[in-house]
Amino acid sequence: QSVLTQPPSASGTPGQRVAISCSGSNSNIGSNFVYWYQQLPGTAPKLLIYTNNQRPSGVPDRFSGSKSGTSASLAISGLQSEDEADYYCAVWDDSLNGRIFGGGTKLTVL
Amino acid sequence: EVQLVESGGGLVQPGGSLRLSCAASGFTFNNYELNWIRQAPGKGLEWLSYISSSGGTTYYADSVKGRFTISRDNAKNSLYLQMNSLGAADTAVYYCVRDSSGHLFQDWGQGTLVTVSS
Repeated sequence: QSVLTQPPSASGTPGQRVAISCSGSNSNIGSNFVYWYQQLPGTAPKLLIYTNNQRPSGVPDRFSGSKSGTSASLAISGLQSEDEADYYCAVWDDSLNGRIFGGGTKLTVL
Repeated sequence: EVQLVESGGGLVQPGGSLRLSCAASGFTFNNYELNWIRQAPGKGLEWLSYISSSGGTTYYADSVKGRFTISRDNAKNSLYLQMNSLGAADTAVYYCVRDSSGHLFQDWGQGTLVTVSS
Protein backbone atom coordinates (compact mmCIF):
# COMPACT_ATOMS: atom_id res chain seq x y z
CA GLN A 1 0.00 0.00 0.00
CA SER A 2 1.51 3.28 -1.15
CA VAL A 3 2.00 6.36 1.02
CA LEU A 4 0.41 8.31 -1.84
CA THR A 5 -3.16 7.28 -2.61
CA GLN A 6 -4.52 7.31 -6.14
CA PRO A 7 -7.78 5.79 -7.38
CA PRO A 8 -6.95 2.52 -9.15
CA SER A 9 -9.07 3.40 -12.15
CA ALA A 10 -10.73 6.30 -13.93
CA SER A 11 -12.67 6.57 -17.16
CA GLY A 12 -14.22 9.05 -19.53
CA THR A 13 -15.56 9.43 -23.03
CA PRO A 14 -13.76 11.27 -25.85
CA GLY A 15 -13.91 15.02 -25.36
CA GLN A 16 -14.70 14.75 -21.68
CA ARG A 17 -12.62 16.12 -18.81
CA VAL A 18 -11.29 13.72 -16.18
CA ALA A 19 -9.35 14.32 -13.01
CA ILE A 20 -7.05 11.93 -11.15
CA SER A 21 -6.30 12.59 -7.51
CA CYS A 22 -3.19 11.90 -5.47
CA SER A 23 -3.54 12.13 -1.71
CA GLY A 24 -0.61 12.29 0.67
CA SER A 25 0.48 13.96 3.88
CA ASN A 26 2.40 16.91 5.29
CA SER A 27 5.70 15.08 4.90
CA ASN A 28 5.31 14.61 1.16
CA ILE A 29 2.75 16.52 -0.90
CA GLY A 30 2.26 19.07 1.84
CA SER A 31 5.87 20.23 1.67
CA ASN A 32 7.28 19.21 -1.70
CA PHE A 33 6.64 19.45 -5.43
CA VAL A 34 4.42 16.90 -7.13
CA TYR A 35 5.19 15.26 -10.45
CA TRP A 36 2.99 13.25 -12.80
CA TYR A 37 3.90 10.52 -15.27
CA GLN A 38 2.08 8.81 -18.11
CA GLN A 39 2.84 5.20 -18.96
CA LEU A 40 1.39 3.95 -22.23
CA PRO A 41 1.00 0.18 -22.55
CA GLY A 42 4.33 -1.59 -23.00
CA THR A 43 6.44 1.55 -22.72
CA ALA A 44 8.55 3.36 -20.15
CA PRO A 45 6.87 6.18 -18.22
CA LYS A 46 7.02 9.75 -19.49
CA LEU A 47 7.16 12.95 -17.45
CA LEU A 48 3.85 14.76 -17.87
CA ILE A 49 3.79 17.46 -15.18
CA TYR A 50 6.65 18.82 -13.04
CA THR A 51 6.74 21.06 -9.97
CA ASN A 52 2.99 20.72 -9.39
CA ASN A 53 1.67 22.37 -12.54
CA GLN A 54 4.32 22.81 -15.24
CA ARG A 55 4.30 20.96 -18.55
CA PRO A 56 7.51 19.88 -20.29
CA SER A 57 7.76 20.97 -23.88
CA GLY A 58 5.76 18.71 -26.13
CA VAL A 59 3.07 17.87 -23.58
CA PRO A 60 -0.31 19.16 -24.80
CA ASP A 61 -1.99 21.85 -22.74
CA ARG A 62 -4.93 19.45 -22.31
CA PHE A 63 -2.91 18.12 -19.37
CA SER A 64 -2.78 20.24 -16.23
CA GLY A 65 -1.70 19.73 -12.64
CA SER A 66 -2.66 21.34 -9.39
CA LYS A 67 -1.91 20.99 -5.70
CA SER A 68 -3.74 22.03 -2.57
CA GLY A 69 -2.54 21.16 0.91
CA THR A 70 -1.74 17.46 1.01
CA SER A 71 -3.48 16.54 -2.22
CA ALA A 72 -2.71 16.95 -5.88
CA SER A 73 -4.67 16.42 -9.05
CA LEU A 74 -4.01 15.74 -12.71
CA ALA A 75 -6.69 16.94 -15.08
CA ILE A 76 -7.06 15.90 -18.69
CA SER A 77 -9.46 17.89 -20.82
CA GLY A 78 -10.68 17.02 -24.31
CA LEU A 79 -10.02 13.35 -23.61
CA GLN A 80 -8.62 11.38 -26.54
CA SER A 81 -8.26 7.66 -27.14
CA GLU A 82 -4.48 7.96 -27.03
CA ASP A 83 -4.71 9.19 -23.44
CA GLU A 84 -5.58 5.66 -22.35
CA ALA A 85 -2.67 4.84 -20.07
CA ASP A 86 -1.52 4.45 -16.48
CA TYR A 87 -0.86 7.68 -14.58
CA TYR A 88 1.39 8.03 -11.55
CA CYS A 89 2.09 10.85 -9.12
CA ALA A 90 5.48 11.13 -7.41
CA VAL A 91 6.98 13.28 -4.70
CA TRP A 92 9.83 13.45 -2.18
CA ASP A 93 8.89 12.33 1.33
CA ASP A 94 10.71 14.11 4.18
CA SER A 95 9.93 11.36 6.71
CA LEU A 96 11.04 8.48 4.52
CA ASN A 97 13.97 10.49 3.16
CA GLY A 98 13.21 9.18 -0.28
CA ARG A 99 11.07 9.53 -3.36
CA ILE A 100 7.71 7.81 -3.58
CA PHE A 101 5.10 7.01 -6.22
CA GLY A 102 1.39 6.76 -5.94
CA GLY A 103 -0.10 3.37 -6.71
CA GLY A 104 -1.11 4.46 -10.21
CA THR A 105 -4.42 5.08 -11.95
CA LYS A 106 -5.48 3.21 -15.06
CA LEU A 107 -7.38 5.58 -17.34
CA THR A 108 -9.83 4.04 -19.78
CA VAL A 109 -11.29 6.03 -22.65
CA LEU A 110 -14.72 4.57 -23.30
CA GLU B 1 19.50 12.72 -27.83
CA VAL B 2 19.55 11.40 -24.28
CA GLN B 3 19.99 7.64 -24.18
CA LEU B 4 19.95 5.38 -21.14
CA VAL B 5 20.54 1.71 -21.86
CA GLU B 6 20.20 -0.81 -19.05
CA SER B 7 21.82 -4.23 -19.07
CA GLY B 8 22.60 -7.06 -16.70
CA GLY B 9 19.12 -8.36 -16.07
CA GLY B 10 18.22 -12.02 -16.25
CA LEU B 11 17.25 -15.04 -14.23
CA VAL B 12 18.77 -15.40 -10.77
CA GLN B 13 18.07 -17.83 -7.95
CA PRO B 14 16.60 -16.68 -4.64
CA GLY B 15 19.35 -15.44 -2.36
CA GLY B 16 21.56 -14.63 -5.33
CA SER B 17 23.13 -11.41 -6.55
CA LEU B 18 23.05 -9.40 -9.74
CA ARG B 19 24.67 -6.20 -10.95
CA LEU B 20 22.75 -3.94 -13.29
CA SER B 21 24.44 -1.38 -15.50
CA CYS B 22 23.17 1.68 -17.30
CA ALA B 23 25.15 3.19 -20.16
CA ALA B 24 24.37 6.85 -20.72
CA SER B 25 24.93 9.05 -23.75
CA GLY B 26 23.73 12.29 -25.29
CA PHE B 27 24.39 14.49 -22.25
CA THR B 28 27.14 15.51 -19.84
CA PHE B 29 26.84 12.54 -17.50
CA ASN B 30 28.63 13.98 -14.47
CA ASN B 31 26.21 16.93 -14.29
CA TYR B 32 23.10 14.86 -13.60
CA GLU B 33 21.53 12.96 -10.76
CA LEU B 34 20.30 9.44 -11.44
CA ASN B 35 17.88 6.89 -10.05
CA TRP B 36 16.86 3.27 -10.25
CA ILE B 37 13.13 2.58 -10.42
CA ARG B 38 11.45 -0.78 -10.84
CA GLN B 39 8.09 -2.14 -11.89
CA ALA B 40 6.96 -5.63 -10.94
CA PRO B 41 4.84 -7.45 -13.54
CA GLY B 42 1.40 -5.86 -13.67
CA LYS B 43 2.22 -3.55 -10.77
CA GLY B 44 3.03 0.10 -10.22
CA LEU B 45 6.30 2.01 -10.16
CA GLU B 46 8.63 1.78 -7.19
CA TRP B 47 11.52 4.20 -6.68
CA LEU B 48 14.55 2.31 -5.36
CA SER B 49 17.58 4.55 -5.17
CA TYR B 50 19.08 7.94 -6.02
CA ILE B 51 22.65 9.09 -6.53
CA SER B 52 23.94 12.64 -6.82
CA SER B 53 25.99 13.86 -9.77
CA SER B 54 29.27 13.36 -7.91
CA GLY B 55 28.19 10.10 -6.33
CA GLY B 56 28.66 11.55 -2.87
CA THR B 57 25.00 11.36 -1.84
CA THR B 58 22.77 8.33 -2.10
CA TYR B 59 19.27 7.48 -0.92
CA TYR B 60 17.44 4.17 -0.81
CA ALA B 61 13.90 2.92 -0.41
CA ASP B 62 13.38 0.93 2.79
CA SER B 63 12.55 -2.15 0.71
CA VAL B 64 16.12 -2.37 -0.62
CA LYS B 65 18.19 -0.60 2.02
CA GLY B 66 21.10 -2.81 3.08
CA ARG B 67 20.67 -5.14 0.10
CA PHE B 68 21.12 -2.86 -2.93
CA THR B 69 23.96 -0.43 -3.62
CA ILE B 70 23.85 2.32 -6.22
CA SER B 71 27.07 3.65 -7.71
CA ARG B 72 28.33 5.49 -10.76
CA ASP B 73 31.50 5.85 -12.79
CA ASN B 74 31.54 9.32 -14.30
CA ALA B 75 34.58 8.47 -16.40
CA LYS B 76 32.63 5.66 -18.06
CA ASN B 77 29.26 7.45 -18.21
CA SER B 78 27.77 4.51 -16.35
CA LEU B 79 25.36 3.88 -13.49
CA TYR B 80 25.22 0.64 -11.53
CA LEU B 81 22.96 -1.21 -9.12
CA GLN B 82 24.45 -4.04 -7.10
CA MET B 83 21.62 -6.24 -5.85
CA ASN B 84 22.19 -8.85 -3.14
CA SER B 85 19.96 -11.28 -1.23
CA LEU B 86 17.41 -11.27 -4.00
CA GLY B 87 13.93 -12.65 -3.44
CA ALA B 88 10.85 -13.27 -5.54
CA ALA B 89 9.53 -9.82 -4.65
CA ASP B 90 12.49 -8.32 -6.51
CA THR B 91 11.26 -9.69 -9.84
CA ALA B 92 10.62 -6.61 -11.96
CA VAL B 93 11.69 -4.44 -14.86
CA TYR B 94 14.43 -2.14 -13.61
CA TYR B 95 14.71 1.35 -15.10
CA CYS B 96 17.64 3.75 -15.12
CA VAL B 97 16.19 7.26 -14.81
CA ARG B 98 17.75 10.71 -15.09
CA ASP B 99 16.72 13.78 -13.14
CA SER B 100 17.01 17.19 -14.72
CA SER B 101 16.82 20.63 -13.20
CA GLY B 102 13.29 20.85 -11.79
CA HIS B 103 12.32 17.72 -13.68
CA LEU B 104 12.21 14.69 -11.43
CA PHE B 105 12.57 11.43 -13.41
CA GLN B 106 12.75 13.23 -16.73
CA ASP B 107 14.40 10.59 -18.91
CA TRP B 108 13.94 6.82 -18.72
CA GLY B 109 15.76 3.86 -20.18
CA GLN B 110 13.89 0.99 -21.78
CA GLY B 111 14.36 -1.19 -18.70
CA THR B 112 15.94 -4.56 -18.01
CA LEU B 113 14.00 -7.53 -16.64
CA VAL B 114 15.19 -9.27 -13.49
CA THR B 115 13.53 -12.56 -12.63
CA VAL B 116 14.19 -14.20 -9.27
CA SER B 117 13.19 -17.84 -9.38
CA SER B 118 14.53 -21.29 -8.68
